Amino acid sequence: SAVISQKPSRDICQRGTSLTIQCQVDSQVTMMFWYRQQPGQSLTLIATANQGSEATYESGFVIDKFPISRPNLTFSTLTVSNMSPEDSSIYLCSVEDSVASSGNTIYFGEGSWLTVV
Amino acid sequence: AQKVTQAQTEISVVEKEDVTLDCVYETRDTTYYLFWYKQPPSGELVFLIRRNSFDEQNEISGRYSWNFQKSTSSFNFTITASQVVDSAVYFCALSEMDSSYKLIFGSGTRLLVRP
Repeated sequence: SAVISQKPSRDICQRGTSLTIQCQVDSQVTMMFWYRQQPGQSLTLIATANQGSEATYESGFVIDKFPISRPNLTFSTLTVSNMSPEDSSIYLCSVEDSVASSGNTIYFGEGSWLTVV
Repeated sequence: AQKVTQAQTEISVVEKEDVTLDCVYETRDTTYYLFWYKQPPSGELVFLIRRNSFDEQNEISGRYSWNFQKSTSSFNFTITASQVVDSAVYFCALSEMDSSYKLIFGSGTRLLVRP
């Protein structure tokens, strides 16, 4: 399976600042996704990170708040902009790994725990 | 519209008991994938299983087994002889073929295995 590394693993951020989360995969993948998990909640898809084009955002998420980069097939970043306490969440990167497995398996990184104070 | 329901919010068992986590899904697609993930307190999401809609065979992996029934739109997960290390939140998720592998998650079931 794909090995996915996220940085930072945890951070405490000041209100009004921005933080960029990095996601590195050990193999080339076509599909990369960013999810948010608010405290005690389930996971919600923020956007699909497309290589060579703009990310595709889900309803309720906008590029100005969550800009995403996907410069190549192994790396992506998610920025959480102008943070407020409501942005305190675990942010998880995931990939669709159709090579290592029999296809269409979605793996996740270890997550980035952000606390906004 | 697609939806995943995990009606059990929290389950508490004593070690060595068997426990079943329920998952019911809704989809209009004929081709879809169902997943189970484990989220321990550390936060990472650990992949457990993927099942496609055309494969209704039950699967067993060690102490874990899964029962997929299209007739009832259910994909239940059973842990046999539970252990303290099984304590985690378990998520069931659905991905439709036409949705570009986006996952729709259930609300999760928190499993507590007491020694």
